[in-house]
Amino acid sequence: KAGVTQTPRYLIKTRGQQVTLSCSPISGHRSVSWYQQTPGQGLQFLFEYFSETQRNKGNFPGRFSGRQFSNSRSEMNVSTLELGDSALYLCASSMNGEYQETQYFGPGTRLLVL
Amino acid sequence: GDSVTQMEGPVTLSEEAFLTINCTYTATGYPSLFWYVQYPGEGLQLLLKATKADDKGSNKGFEATYRKETTSFHLEKGSVQVSDSAVYFCAHLIKAAGNKLTFGGGTRVLVKP
Repeated sequence: KAGVTQTPRYLIKTRGQQVTLSCSPISGHRSVSWYQQTPGQGLQFLFEYFSETQRNKGNFPGRFSGRQFSNSRSEMNVSTLELGDSALYLCASSMNGEYQETQYFGPGTRLLVL
Repeated sequence: GDSVTQMEGPVTLSEEAFLTINCTYTATGYPSLFWYVQYPGEGLQLLLKATKADDKGSNKGFEATYRKETTSFHLEKGSVQVSDSAVYFCAHLIKAAGNKLTFGGGTRVLVKP
């Protein structure tokens, strides 16, 4: 079974631009979560989508948004990029998003904002 | 609040040495506990997990036991290899918090031949 895939793997943007990242979960998984990883703040939860609905949200500004499609694929968008948005963005999927389930991570998208 | 604390690295070891990485947590509720590993340039891979008190997770020679009384989930391996060099993350999931993993700060482990 194919793992979680994320595209693109690397991105370079400039301040003020917007960016869209894509995540394809493991086949059959309906929950997709997004995390931001930075050297200073570590791994932080952005949001979770299940059945095309945002079910949980972390403490990030409204510039960070996401959506999920009927095939469970998910995208996240960051508008008006800031230098501090440079990070590794990780997507994770699980079957139903229940608390004992394992979340499987993709390789991440590394975003550099100049 | 809910949090995970793990020992800071880097931890530098010689091959075949014993590895312990301490992890403690606070949680309003009864969490599931996880150890993930991240190799350079990659995402996170699940190493092991435990979902109830006294459960022992194990994989690839690594072990961790869910200790409710000490709110701990320490990772151990009896004989490390150079290929175990990576960053290790302890994390928990709390039912009341939804499907949100809370991670420790990560511990970098470097194994020298």
